[in-house]
Order: sequence, then structure tokens, then C-alpha cells
Amino acid sequence: DAKTTQPTSMDCAEGRAANLPCNHSTISGNEYVYWYRQIHSQGPQYIIHGLKNNETNEMASLIITEDRKSSTLILPHATLRDTAVYYCIVRLRRYNFNKFYFGSGTKLNVKP
Amino acid sequence: GAVVSQHPSRVICKSGTSVKIECRSLDFQATTMFWYRQFPKQSLMLMATSNEGSKATYEQGVEKDKFLINHASLTLSTLTVTSAHPEDSSFYICSAREPGTLNNYGYTFGSGTRLTVV
Repeated sequence: DAKTTQPTSMDCAEGRAANLPCNHSTISGNEYVYWYRQIHSQGPQYIIHGLKNNETNEMASLIITEDRKSSTLILPHATLRDTAVYYCIVRLRRYNFNKFYFGSGTKLNVKP
Repeated sequence: GAVVSQHPSRVICKSGTSVKIECRSLDFQATTMFWYRQFPKQSLMLMATSNEGSKATYEQGVEKDKFLINHASLTLSTLTVTSAHPEDSSFYICSAREPGTLNNYGYTFGSGTRLTVV
């Protein structure tokens, strides 16, 4: 699986959009980008995933660059409860038993 | 959606004893589950892949005799930390994926078990 690089931490004001970048320059054509988050002392929670196209769900939007070497997770209106560590993971989707390897993630601090 | 339950959520044990952690898929069958360990302020580290009806496969550097994994049914995997030492104190998390689904939520994670060895 391709390696990902994320900033260590970011701050965001409550109610504003949080844009979390992820670099995955060695991503291959059949690897998906997944985003998870982990609130303190809990298990990771799925947010969104995508291959090429931008994706949106009730939690967030995922913007993937045309060359697929980077992506941005957007939380449109961050709340205090969005304070968490956000992990960007690249992996093959094809196999049911494919493993998830976590990088260091980005600690998002949402401030009042 | 799929739910993965871990038990216990917290456990304190004496050095030298063994402790068992359970991971259950509540509303689906999981032929494969994964075990992670997380030290404070660090990321999740994959320890092993638990396979129903067969031996677990361990990541490089993880002692299989130290961390015994049993996946005896399609809804239960257990991790036993044997002869625990204080350095085994950590947050242990399991995950599973409902096979054959196209929802692609990836893997569902349990809420974790905080192990403290004293």
C-alpha cells in the first residue's frame, strides 16, 4: 500500500470549514483513498473513501487531485465534536482481507 | 451498520498474568478480523490478522507466543496477552469487515480495550 503524508496538527474555528490535506504520491491506479478519524480513547470511525472522483456524504467531502497524488478531506462546518485525529489511508479495495495500515494522522483541534 | 464489540473496555492485571480480550461482530459474520495496538499519542499499529478456523498471521516484530489469537467462530476473535508486563500496557483495538458487502465502509472498529499491567 502507498505511503501517506499528513500534517501533524491543524486548528480550525468552530463553524468554519476544516480542510485536511494528504499526500500519497506513490498511489497506484487501483488504490483507494480512505479517511478515518479517531476521537480520544475510541476506535477509529469511517468517514469517506474515493478512487478518482470527488465524493461527498453526510459527514464530509473528499477532493482527489487529477493526478491522484494528493487529496483533501473537507468538513464543511466543523464542530467541537470533530476534534480528533484524522487518518488518510491508501489501500487496495479489491480483496476482502486487505489490511489497513495507519500513518501518523492529523490532529484536528476545533476551537470555539 | 456493522457493529464490532470489544470486551472488556478496561482491564488492569498484575505483571506475569494473562489477560484475554474479546472482539465480536454483532450483526455480521467476519471470517477475518484484525488486531491493533496503540500506545499513548501514537498511531494504531497492526499486530495480526485473525482468520476464522485457521492460524493468525502476525506482523513483523509481533511475538505470536506472547499475543495468542483465537478465531473460533465467525463472530468472535480473542486476543490473549500472555505473561503480561508493564510494557504491554496499551490500547488494543480490533476491526472486522462484513464480507460480500459493497458498502465499502472499509472496516468497522471496536471501541478498544485499555490494558494496564501493574
